Amino acid sequence: DQQVKQNSPSLSVQEGRISILNCDYTNSMFDYFLWYKKYPAEGPTFLISISSIKDKNEDGRFTVFLNKSAKHLSLHIVPSQPGDSAVYFCAAMTTDSWGKLQFGAGTQVVVTP
Amino acid sequence: ETGVTQSPTHLIKTRGQQVTLRCSSQSGHNTVSWYQQALGQGPQFIFQYYREEENGRGNFPPRFSGLQFPNYSSELNVNALELDDSALYLCASSYLAGVKYNEQFFGPGTRLTVL
Repeated sequence: DQQVKQNSPSLSVQEGRISILNCDYTNSMFDYFLWYKKYPAEGPTFLISISSIKDKNEDGRFTVFLNKSAKHLSLHIVPSQPGDSAVYFCAAMTTDSWGKLQFGAGTQVVVTP
Repeated sequence: ETGVTQSPTHLIKTRGQQVTLRCSSQSGHNTVSWYQQALGQGPQFIFQYYREEENGRGNFPPRFSGLQFPNYSSELNVNALELDDSALYLCASSYLAGVKYNEQFFGPGTRLTVL
């Protein structure tokens, strides 16, 4: 039962433009959401997170938006850079299942010159 | 500060065999989680260990078992290997203190192929 879904397996974006990655979830008990980035032959690295008490969190070029009523979150990367080419995973957890993350299937982002 | 390391990098086994994968946590971390990432999918939570005790388990059968040692390194053992166990196995370490969530740091993974 896939509780976190990333319906776009891939995204191609030009350097300097905005990348928008989407994620949907079905479990209304999730109250903490994270985005991870993964390069080949490396483990996922934490990018940004958001608590369910917020609807937006920014960190430099990365912004995560949370729409609880729609059970939807998105990651915006502005501006996109070639080094952003990677697989991005959305993950969710409940605070009473500390650290036990449910991941989406990932979105492969390719930033072209 | 050393990061999370895993060994071996790659492993090939045959169906029915047993395998042990190892993880060395980041210094100062007391919690380790193991995930299975099948091809084209996201990581799936297997189980978590906190101070040498299992602290939660995902939807995996008992033939998946683990250990965490006093130095907070960890092992994942899989018995009676099946073809579907072929995947990248990731461990992640973090520091659990109270209810505040602290970032998990992932290792590079062990690629297991079952023939």
